[in-house]
Amino acid sequence: QQPVQSPQAVILREGEDAVINCSSSKALYSVHWYRQKHGEAPVFLMILLKGGEQKGHEKISASFNEKKQQSSLYLTASQLSYSGTYFCGTESGGSYIPTFGRGTSLIVHP
Amino acid sequence: DGGITQSPKYLFRKEGQNVTLSCEQNLNHDAMYWYRQDPGQGLRLIYYSQIVNDFQKGDIAEGYSVSREKKESFPLTVTSAQKNPTAFYLCASSSRALSGYTFGSGTRLTVV
Repeated sequence: QQPVQSPQAVILREGEDAVINCSSSKALYSVHWYRQKHGEAPVFLMILLKGGEQKGHEKISASFNEKKQQSSLYLTASQLSYSGTYFCGTESGGSYIPTFGRGTSLIVHP
Repeated sequence: DGGITQSPKYLFRKEGQNVTLSCEQNLNHDAMYWYRQDPGQGLRLIYYSQIVNDFQKGDIAEGYSVSREKKESFPLTVTSAQKNPTAFYLCASSSRALSGYTFGSGTRLTVV
């Protein structure tokens, strides 16, 4: 079943923070995060596995809450280059192949 | 540089014709995948292959076919049985289970 991403769209000014959520109706084993710029291929950001709570770099990080069956992507002090559509992909064990959400569009203005 | 090559970038076909989309990778990845992307729908899995000469249906396999005769290549055929073939098609690969995917730059197919 497709995970639900929220919000559907975010508009920010440079330097502002954003949080994108990804919720599943099933217990999660792994969560992928990707960013796609218009007309381009999605680019892998990170993968979180069951048992791991937080991952990422200083400005882009993610958390994995097994109890809530949810992952959140945190973008800190956003830059113009962060603009794009962010997809999460969730996997509940077995195939190891994620099912992707519909995406969250992020626009960063100067 | 290693990566995934999809060709062509744009493809136009008449309704009723089969069309084959190419996907080649030189990353030495075992697993390869085909996704379809429609506006507002996210990425939907068509077929995947975890080893040469073996492949499995994804969520929306009807009207599509694939082959995996070589590790590097995973072509997708969109048949005339696919009711709404116009879409953006993405090929991806991964080295192992639970690793990130590398995507190709996609093929935009328009059927008229």
